[in-house]
Amino acid sequence: DTGVSQDPRHKITKRGQNVTFRCDPISEHNRLYWYRQTLGQGPEFLTYFQNEAQLEKSRLLSDRFSAERPKGSFSTLEIQRTEQGDSAMYLCASSTSGGSQHFGDGTRLSIL
Amino acid sequence: AQTVTQSQPEMSVQEAETVTLSCTYDTSESDYYLFWYKQPPSRQMILVIRQEAYKQQNATENRFSVNFQKAAKSFSLKISDSQLGDAAMYFCAYRRRGGSEKLVFGKGTKLTVNP
Repeated sequence: DTGVSQDPRHKITKRGQNVTFRCDPISEHNRLYWYRQTLGQGPEFLTYFQNEAQLEKSRLLSDRFSAERPKGSFSTLEIQRTEQGDSAMYLCASSTSGGSQHFGDGTRLSIL
Repeated sequence: AQTVTQSQPEMSVQEAETVTLSCTYDTSESDYYLFWYKQPPSRQMILVIRQEAYKQQNATENRFSVNFQKAAKSFSLKISDSQLGDAAMYFCAYRRRGGSEKLVFGKGTKLTVNP
């Protein structure tokens, strides 16, 4: 069990640029989640995959956000035309069905 | 919609003492799970303890235990014999059984452990 891995740990970008984050879940976990955490708040759900299928998206996930999980393995979260309000920690978690979620270290996004 | 409320933004405890963190939640579901997660500064979110709503017995994990009051929708975390390494943000979270099983988090409580 190597844990959930996220890359990069930090991303600094200029407003208007596109960014992509990667999450590698625990290998036997079929469920993968993305959350966003802003300063002083708890994580908020963004989207969820079961295997390769994206089954739920939060209203927080505007059309500038897209997530994929090809072949049900790693997942990517892309933000297009970044805005100041996108600055946050983006957390990935994985689990088996009914199991507890295990989190990665997160990707901290800073928009200049 | 389900909500989770942590009314204590910050708490402090002396090393070796006991501290209790509070959490209340709101749901119309009868079958769900409750969790406490720990997030040390700049480090990974770690599961501390999990409680199934259908179980009347309170969950315990070594120095960590919960007081689950289903009727009152209350789920507090007790940390006994506090250690310096317990210093972190603690988040209470709710998850319904079935569906996406997404977590709904409270805003967290920052725990300081004084030597």
